[in-house]
Parts: sequence; C-alpha cells; structure tokens
Amino acid sequence: SYELTQPPSVSVSPGQTARITCSGDALPKQYAYWYQQKPGQAPVLVIYKDSERPSGIPERFSGSSSGTTVTLTISGVQAEDEADYYCQSADSSGKVFGGGTKLTVL
Amino acid sequence: QVTLRESGPALVKPTQTLTLTCTFSGFSLSTSGMCVSWIRQPPGKALEWLALIDWDDDKYYSTSLKTRLTISKDTSKNQVVLTMTNMDPVDTATYYCARVVRGVDAFDIWGQGTMVTVSS
Repeated sequence: SYELTQPPSVSVSPGQTARITCSGDALPKQYAYWYQQKPGQAPVLVIYKDSERPSGIPERFSGSSSGTTVTLTISGVQAEDEADYYCQSADSSGKVFGGGTKLTVL
Repeated sequence: QVTLRESGPALVKPTQTLTLTCTFSGFSLSTSGMCVSWIRQPPGKALEWLALIDWDDDKYYSTSLKTRLTISKDTSKNQVVLTMTNMDPVDTATYYCARVVRGVDAFDIWGQGTMVTVSS
C-alpha cells in the first residue's frame, strides 16, 4: 500500500525555522496537505494543495513541493507551534496519512 | 459556522459491530462537492483514513478495512453513519469525522472525536 514517510521528530528553538518533510512516490502527481494536532485536540488543516494556506492560519506556515518530497516550513517558530504534524495525500486506493512528526520547541 | 460531532458507544466487545454517527451543521450533503469522511487514531499513533461519502452517494473505503466498513448518509438529518464489523482490541482509537469539499479535497473541518475502546 502507498506510504508517506515523515521524520518522527524535529526540534527547533523559538524564532528559528522548522522544516518538516514528507516523502511519497505519488507526490509528484497528487497534492499534499498538512495538519497540526495538539495534545487532546482534533487535527487542524494548516496547508492544502501543497502550498495554499487556509484563512486564519498564520503566514509563518508555508508549504512547498519538489519531486517526491513535500515540505512544511514554519518560519519564526513560536512555543504554541509545538504539536504533531501530519502530511496527507491520496492515491488510487484512497487517502493516506504520514506517520506524523513531533515538533518540539526548545 | 461548520461543525461536526461524533457520537457512539465508548466501549464495545470483541466481535461486535461498531456504529458511529457524525452529526453536522453549516453545510448540506445534498450540495454538489460536499463530502464527509471518517478517520481514526489509536492512542499515541498516527491518523488513519477509513471512508468517505460524497453528495452523490458515492462511497470510498480504505483498502485494508473495506470488507468491514459501511458508510451511509441521511441528508434530511445531516448525519453520516459508519459501521465497522468484527471489532478487535486493535480497533481501539479515537474516531473522527471531517468535512471534505471537492476541489480543495482536504479535511478542512474536523469533529472533536469520540474514543472507542474494544475490550471484553
């Protein structure tokens, strides 16, 4: 079955830039989406169609795509950005999520 | 304002059938492009997509769980129902419903989730 691969963890200091990657063979042909999930809460959409930002999501969140890898970038990380982040895409079988990346703000 | 809320039993026994209901407001599943999906998350683990139903009553299922899942809608009640047969302890998870709008194709609004434990 189709898989999306994310690093288990990323750590950054406040004010720095965090980059979270997601790799998958179908990503050159399918859009990617990113969700932020804080403990005990439902996920929140932060990026759709590789690089679009929903209304209400801070401008420090951005997305990009290159080949089989998509990247969520958080510029000027704040303490409130500490959370799990999941990428999501699709293939002919349906929708698929990555394994998630825990972002720690040091 | 779009909201979704999941409801169902907190505890089911192994081999039983789970029935979950997603009740939503702020949109209609009779509107072209609207869809509702189910996603689950075992404790401490990643999200897993389960099923999706669209405005045209087309249904899509996770390949690995297809034989156990049924999704249906009641447009008049603004509800989507998911049934999962032959429950097992590994199905213990928080179950979420979420809206999908064709063209965006993201899970843009999520319910708060409902925790289901499978245990005898």
